[in-house]
Amino acid sequence: NAGVTQTPKFQVLKTGQSMTLQCAQDMNHNSMYWYRQDPGMGLRLIYYSASEGTTDKGEVPNGYNVSRLNKREFSLRLESAAPSQTSVYFCASTSRGNYEQYFGPGTRLTVT
Amino acid sequence: GDSVTQMEGPVTLSEEAFLTINCTYTATGYPSLFWYVQYPGEGLQLLLKATKADDKGSNKGFEATYRKETTSFHLEKGSVQVSDSAVYFCALDAGGTSYGKLTFGQGTILTVHP
Repeated sequence: NAGVTQTPKFQVLKTGQSMTLQCAQDMNHNSMYWYRQDPGMGLRLIYYSASEGTTDKGEVPNGYNVSRLNKREFSLRLESAAPSQTSVYFCASTSRGNYEQYFGPGTRLTVT
Repeated sequence: GDSVTQMEGPVTLSEEAFLTINCTYTATGYPSLFWYVQYPGEGLQLLLKATKADDKGSNKGFEATYRKETTSFHLEKGSVQVSDSAVYFCALDAGGTSYGKLTFGQGTILTVHP
């Protein structure tokens, strides 16, 4: 099993450009999450999907959109990137009743 | 709202030293508490958890006890190794309608020297 995979690993964007971060899990998990990690601030939840077909906002959703494409895949879209979105982005998944969230390796995004 | 506060780092220790990383939380109800570890260049991994008051989570020589009276979940290890060098995150899951939505502390960088 690959667990949680994310693409790309690194990305540099110019202000105003758009991009989609991809996430997939092969553990048949119901719930998936997108976090951003900034120095000194831990991880903050951007969006989550409790089950296929549902999505909801987390703590810092502004500037992002998500799509739960199917049970395996959960993508994060930046429509018009801003320097404040420079961060490391992590996708995670878990199954209902299991407290452990499984994390992908992250995407390091720089917006200039 | 819910919050988690960790001791400020970075923490630098010699091999075989005793480790404590403090974590306190604010939450309504009865949250579940976690320690996650992030090794360089990797995603986070669950290190240990406790789901109710007085529970002790343990794994790989690390321990933490859920103390409701002091709203704390301090991480301890009796003898650290160089391989324990990583970033450690305390987190809570408030449960209920917030189930699965983790609130993280800011992380503590641990460096262990031979």
